[in-house]
Amino acid sequence: DIQMTQSPSTLSASVGDRVIITCRASQSVSSWLAWYQQKPGKAPELLIYDASSLESGVPSRFSGRGAGSEFTLTISSLQPDDFATYYCQQYNSHSPGTFGQGTKVEI
Amino acid sequence: EVQLVESGGGLVKPGGSLRLSCAASGFTVSTYSMNWVRQAPGKGLEWVASITSSGNYIFYGDSLKGRFTISRDNAKNSLFLQMNSLRAEDTAVYYCAKQRSAGNSPNDYWGQGTLVTVSS
Repeated sequence: DIQMTQSPSTLSASVGDRVIITCRASQSVSSWLAWYQQKPGKAPELLIYDASSLESGVPSRFSGRGAGSEFTLTISSLQPDDFATYYCQQYNSHSPGTFGQGTKVEI
Repeated sequence: EVQLVESGGGLVKPGGSLRLSCAASGFTVSTYSMNWVRQAPGKGLEWVASITSSGNYIFYGDSLKGRFTISRDNAKNSLFLQMNSLRAEDTAVYYCAKQRSAGNSPNDYWGQGTLVTVSS
């Protein structure tokens, strides 16, 4: 199985900061990588798919880069609504669609 | 509008069984691959099972060891997860999720989740 590792696990930041989260795959997943945002008590929401495509309705301050086994999610200017936990997920192999362990962005 | 509504969660004793349902609206479940994803309290997301749009391919997470069965009822436009031989470590919120498109794709719509608690 493909393993996904995110870093950092927790990130302390302030409103207006530029935030970068990294996701590494144990083997190449091409560009089959997504990023989700999850707030407490809520279901995850899709932010980025195919490594760099912005899901409809997602603010342009979110961006994704990478291919192969290393990927990043960047929030260009952190807003109050962005404090949440972020997960990467590979969907290169259908079984399974493994998730990273999550990165909590907190004040 | 796409909606996914899970039901069937609750408290069950170790070794017991539970059947989760996910009612879909705004799209046809037979047109997309569908997934179950779970999240233990305070933990991260864990993919549980997938069924392709054709129904020809079904996949499960390694930790399930044949205890769970994913299925679909096209007439009811619903997804199901039959869970047997439940263990304490199966305690989690279970989400159903729709894949964005055919082939390799992420989950673009999720239900609100249903809580399964396995405890004596």
